[in-house]
Amino acid sequence: EEQLLESGGGVVQPGGSLRLSCTASGFTFSNYGFSWVRQAPGKGLEWVSSFSGSGGSTYYAGSVKGRFTISRDNSKNTLYLQMNSLRTEDTALYYCGRHGHSDGFDVWGQGTVVTVSS
Amino acid sequence: DTQMTQSPSSLSASVGDRVTITCRASQSISSHLNWYQQKPGKAPKLLIYAASRLQSGVPSRFSGSGSGTDFTLTISSLQPEDFATYYCHQSYSAPWTFGQGTKVDIK
Repeated sequence: EEQLLESGGGVVQPGGSLRLSCTASGFTFSNYGFSWVRQAPGKGLEWVSSFSGSGGSTYYAGSVKGRFTISRDNSKNTLYLQMNSLRTEDTALYYCGRHGHSDGFDVWGQGTVVTVSS
Repeated sequence: DTQMTQSPSSLSASVGDRVTITCRASQSISSHLNWYQQKPGKAPKLLIYAASRLQSGVPSRFSGSGSGTDFTLTISSLQPEDFATYYCHQSYSAPWTFGQGTKVDIK
């Protein structure tokens, strides 16, 4: 079964850092691009960042650019999101998603919760 | 950035109804439009990609249409398991963006 499993969420103070991980199983990780998508409590989906499957291009939402860094380790089948200078508005459930046809996200993890609070 | 506007924000419908949700992009996105279903406490599920292509395993009562700036998700006969929130998503150009969601609940 094709699966993604996020980890690394937690409670952090404003200005702090966290690193999220998304580990894949059941498919060839290196063949795909991936994204991070977040959902604040009671709110809609917000795309955060993407790492393309070919060429290694990375992309960021304006709200996180310069603070978050996406990376991947194909030898570990893992996608990362390094989050620095966290703000209260970064509080959300963070999902990773696999890029399928036309870059629709065809496989999702269950999410990991990030809470930024003093 | 490309803004995605869904309408309506919510709707009430009965089992068996035909339901239509629209998504408008602030600029042309060709056919790079995807639709997701999300139920409470669950991750989103891809229904439609490339505006009109049905994702494997998704029932045929779901369909998508449109290109350029105007897109539609149609559920031909609403089933009890279809009560959920639906999101459109443009993957034409970064930053990728989602619509604000349409909640479909029971009339």
